[in-house]
Amino acid sequence: DAKTTQPTSMDCAEGRAANLPCNHSTISGNEYVYWYRQIHSQGPQYIIHGLKNNETNEMASLIITEDRKSSTLILPHATLRDTAVYYCIVRVVDSWGKFQFGAGTQVVVTP
Amino acid sequence: DTEVTQTPKHLVMGMTNKKSLKCEQHMGHRAMYWYKQKAKKPPELMFVYSYEKLSINESVPSRFSPECPNSSLLNLHLHALQPEDSALYLCASSRGLAGGLNTGELFFGEGSRLTVL
Repeated sequence: DAKTTQPTSMDCAEGRAANLPCNHSTISGNEYVYWYRQIHSQGPQYIIHGLKNNETNEMASLIITEDRKSSTLILPHATLRDTAVYYCIVRVVDSWGKFQFGAGTQVVVTP
Repeated sequence: DTEVTQTPKHLVMGMTNKKSLKCEQHMGHRAMYWYKQKAKKPPELMFVYSYEKLSINESVPSRFSPECPNSSLLNLHLHALQPEDSALYLCASSRGLAGGLNTGELFFGEGSRLTVL
């Protein structure tokens, strides 16, 4: 599975959009991009995933570049409860395992 | 039911003890996972079971022994652990292969926090 690179930390003002980048320059054509977050001492929570197209759900939007070498998770209106570590993960389609976490981005939402 | 339930939430054990962590899901998922997470670090994959068979062992020491007695249950048996094994142990499940209608995301439990004295 491809490796991912994310900034170590980001601050975001409450009510503003948070844009979290992820680099996955070695991604192959059969790998999905997944985003998870982990609030302190809780289990990781699924946010969104995509293969080629941009995706949106009730939690966030995922923008994947045309060459698929990077993506951005957008939290449209950050709240204090969005403070968490955000992980970008790539995983091979039709694969059972190797769902590997990188170091992630610590996002702190401030009032 | 979209939950993965882990018990116990907290466990303290001595280095000579034998204990087990349990994980249960009733979503009909056929893949189940154990992860270990040390403080301020990302979760590290330990084991993957697919259709109740061990498919991935990430070179985990034999003092950790996984077991998948049926499609809903996953155990992690612990014996002769070391203090450095103290960590949050996370269980996860997924529907199966990612592709087609299967989106492949993992559902995680809240974890079992283990302290080895």
